[in-house]
Amino acid sequence: EAGVAQSPRYKIIEKRQSVAFWCNPISGHATLYWYQQILGQGPKLLIQFQNNGVVDDSQLPKDRFSAERLKGVDSTLKIQPAKLEDSAVYLCASSLDGQTEQFFGPGTRLTVL
Amino acid sequence: QKEVEQNSGPLSVPEGAIASLNCTYSDRGSQSFFWYRQYSGKSPELIMFIYSNGDKEDGRFTAQLNKASQYVSLLIRDSQPSDSATYLCAVDTGRRALTFGSGTRLQVQP
Repeated sequence: EAGVAQSPRYKIIEKRQSVAFWCNPISGHATLYWYQQILGQGPKLLIQFQNNGVVDDSQLPKDRFSAERLKGVDSTLKIQPAKLEDSAVYLCASSLDGQTEQFFGPGTRLTVL
Repeated sequence: QKEVEQNSGPLSVPEGAIASLNCTYSDRGSQSFFWYRQYSGKSPELIMFIYSNGDKEDGRFTAQLNKASQYVSLLIRDSQPSDSATYLCAVDTGRRALTFGSGTRLQVQP
């Protein structure tokens, strides 16, 4: 069974630029999560999708972050414009139904200069 | 007060010893509890989950839950150098997806 795929793996941008990350969850998994993990901290949930609907985006900085999951499969997370404090690893995870184990992708390491 | 608290470590134990990792949480309504292992530069992977008070064993790992004290622990018996990693405690409060602690870094000395 293929795992959660993410791209790119690494990204370096200047502050105020835009960036987008892509995630392909495990086939058949209805629930998709985006987490932000700052160095030395645990992952923090940004947004949770159930199929193509948003379940929780209470911790998403909506003035600069946006996410979508069209057709209930792949998802993209965008930051526009980026700030220095956005430097982190962005982890995508999926689970079968939101009640079972979450499987994490390899993450995208973002550096904002 | 943080929702999920862990000692950042590092916790250093000799090979073959028992490593004890602890976690406290603030939301009394929390329903399920998870331990993830994260190697440096890698993504978290689930080791164990526990829902009920008491102990749950899986191989060398034992999770312990005390809801009255709002305390979860992970014991690793016969620690190996390959167990050296950061261990993340995560809590499902039922309000949102998992809330993670900052993790405890474990070092197993050969």
